[in-house]
Amino acid sequence: GAVVSQHPSRVICKSGTSVKIECRSLDFQATTMFWYRQFPKQSLMLMATSNEGSKATYEQGVEKDKFLINHASLTLSTLTVTSAHPEDSSFYICSARRDQETQYFGPGTRLLVL
Amino acid sequence: GENVGLHLPTLSVQEGDNSIINCAYSNSASDYFIWYKQESGKGPQFIIDIRSNMDKRQGQRVTVLLNKTVKHLSLQIAATQPGDSAVYFCAETPSGFQKLVFGTGTRLLVSP
Repeated sequence: GAVVSQHPSRVICKSGTSVKIECRSLDFQATTMFWYRQFPKQSLMLMATSNEGSKATYEQGVEKDKFLINHASLTLSTLTVTSAHPEDSSFYICSARRDQETQYFGPGTRLLVL
Repeated sequence: GENVGLHLPTLSVQEGDNSIINCAYSNSASDYFIWYKQESGKGPQFIIDIRSNMDKRQGQRVTVLLNKTVKHLSLQIAATQPGDSAVYFCAETPSGFQKLVFGTGTRLLVSP
């Protein structure tokens, strides 16, 4: 168990458009999901913590109006990159917490903004 | 050209050797630790975890050792295989704390 999916796996968009990324826990309920960003050859950078039914908690330096997070159910969280620009191009990864601490990660979404 | 400042520590081993990947953590309040494996273009995959009330935990071909005195964590992989080639991250968190703090990662290269 503990399978997390993301969709899409890869997306290319034009500058100024918005992109939505979905994160689903397939075989367990996740009250908490996390969104990370990862640049090449670097570690994961936490962007925000998403709790089901409440507002997300953003890390310092992450614009909440730029990266909209919705966690409407125990199995789905979405990240919307609004008015995307080339500097938003990155690898976005979600994780879902099944028990007290263990996080299980999705396969990631590669975003390329032209 | 090479990206300055984006260099991951790399461990190169031969197939069949044992590998040891090390991680130093900074928060003495951390009491739960996880090792993740990340292959190129994929999300991190859970390997093994350990709580601070243990010094050692074994899984299939993997062993995690925890030294709380010097805040050091290691991952041992027995009989390393080419499929083990990936970047390995340690992560830590205090009990009841939601967020994981990730280490910088180590790239493991296994040659046949």
